[in-house]
Amino acid sequence: KQEVTQIPAALSVPEGENLVLNCSFTDSAIYNLQWFRQDPGKGLTSLLLIQSSQREQTSGRLNASLDKSSGRSTLYIAASQPGDSATYLCAPKDSGYALNFGKGTSLLVTP
Amino acid sequence: DTGVSQNPRHKITKRGQNVTFRCDPISEHNRLYWYRQTLGQGPEFLTYFQNEAQLEKSRLLSDRFSAERPKGSFSTLEIQRTEQGDSAMYLCASNSYGTGGNTGELFFGEGSRLTVL
Repeated sequence: KQEVTQIPAALSVPEGENLVLNCSFTDSAIYNLQWFRQDPGKGLTSLLLIQSSQREQTSGRLNASLDKSSGRSTLYIAASQPGDSATYLCAPKDSGYALNFGKGTSLLVTP
Repeated sequence: DTGVSQNPRHKITKRGQNVTFRCDPISEHNRLYWYRQTLGQGPEFLTYFQNEAQLEKSRLLSDRFSAERPKGSFSTLEIQRTEQGDSAMYLCASNSYGTGGNTGELFFGEGSRLTVL
């Protein structure tokens, strides 16, 4: 069974800082990996999808990288803003039907 | 495209009652998933439909849980004889693969929060 670990579990930074969220997974035979954002009491919002053949994907201030062989992905957030405060979840897609999730990283960006 | 829609958003029920949640996926998506999420945890997979066929069920889906997707459109998740341990957020997601440039990106609804008293 795919195990997903996200480090750190929680992070608090002042506005304007660049930050990196880490995701590791145990089964490197994945098809893609997706990063999501979740606000309290809400559903998950897709941020980035990286296919297994790709090394990174960018969307605005977000950049996600994938090192499939080592079972790692990182989400880089540039120039953080208070509106970025949320829980960030990564989910690798292996040969099973469903995505497997870690517990996420809870991010607080203070003004 | 209005996204994945879930109803009701909140449900409070007494232990032992039955509840049903509905999910309307993105219209062109043939794959539909149900997940459960408790506080501080990531979503846990419950079941998966491809069109109207239920192809996988997690061991988390006890006999009190049943899901359907008639005609491969909307889906319902019913919980019978609810227990306090069923209190959670129930999330629905949908996607497609392969044709029309579909990348397999998974889209979630806002969830249905169940509180069992």
